[in-house]
Amino acid sequence: QVQLQESGPGLVKPSETLSLTCTVSGGSISNYYWTWIRQPPGEGLEWIGYVHYSGNTNYNPSLKSRVTISLDKSKNQFSLKLSSVTAADTAVYYCARRVATKPVYCFDYWGQGTLVTVSS
Amino acid sequence: AIQMTQSPSSLSASVGDRVTITCRASQGIKNDLGWYQQKPGKAPKLLIYTASSLQSGVPLRFSGSGSGTDFTLTISSLQPEDFATYYCLQDYNYPLTFGQGTKVEIK
Repeated sequence: QVQLQESGPGLVKPSETLSLTCTVSGGSISNYYWTWIRQPPGEGLEWIGYVHYSGNTNYNPSLKSRVTISLDKSKNQFSLKLSSVTAADTAVYYCARRVATKPVYCFDYWGQGTLVTVSS
Repeated sequence: AIQMTQSPSSLSASVGDRVTITCRASQGIKNDLGWYQQKPGKAPKLLIYTASSLQSGVPLRFSGSGSGTDFTLTISSLQPEDFATYYCLQDYNYPLTFGQGTKVEIK
């Protein structure tokens, strides 16, 4: 059974960089789009971006200037870095596996989510 | 970016009721749409992909339909465990975008 687990600091100061890691277990990291999604408290879901096994990345234009998503194949991990954070970046951050093989597109496995609060 | 509009934003229903949630895309997305269920404090869970395909393990009372710009999630007979928030997601192009959610509450 595939499992994803987010890890990282739960509190980040304004203007600093938020860093999270997602560890994938129980399955191959190949041929999927490894994705970060966030959800501010009481609000809806926002797609942040992905890294593909090939190394290709794609980011939400609303965050593109501040986001980096990378993959460590040797550790079966992928990471999110979000720079220059503000209170508006306070959210539960989810990592998820995206299937994107025609005709199937979906997020089939998700991490449990981790709350990151931006505050001094 | 493609905007996804769900309706209603919330609804109250009783166990056994038939529930329908709609999602409209601001442009055509073929059938590249998924439905996700989220319970408080939990990650979203995939219910339906490519508009009408039921994810393995999801009860048959859930069904999806639609293509182009208009989509529907139907719960044929609402069960106590179905009270949750439901989101649609367009998987047609980037940035991927979610609807704002529909909260299904107990009447």
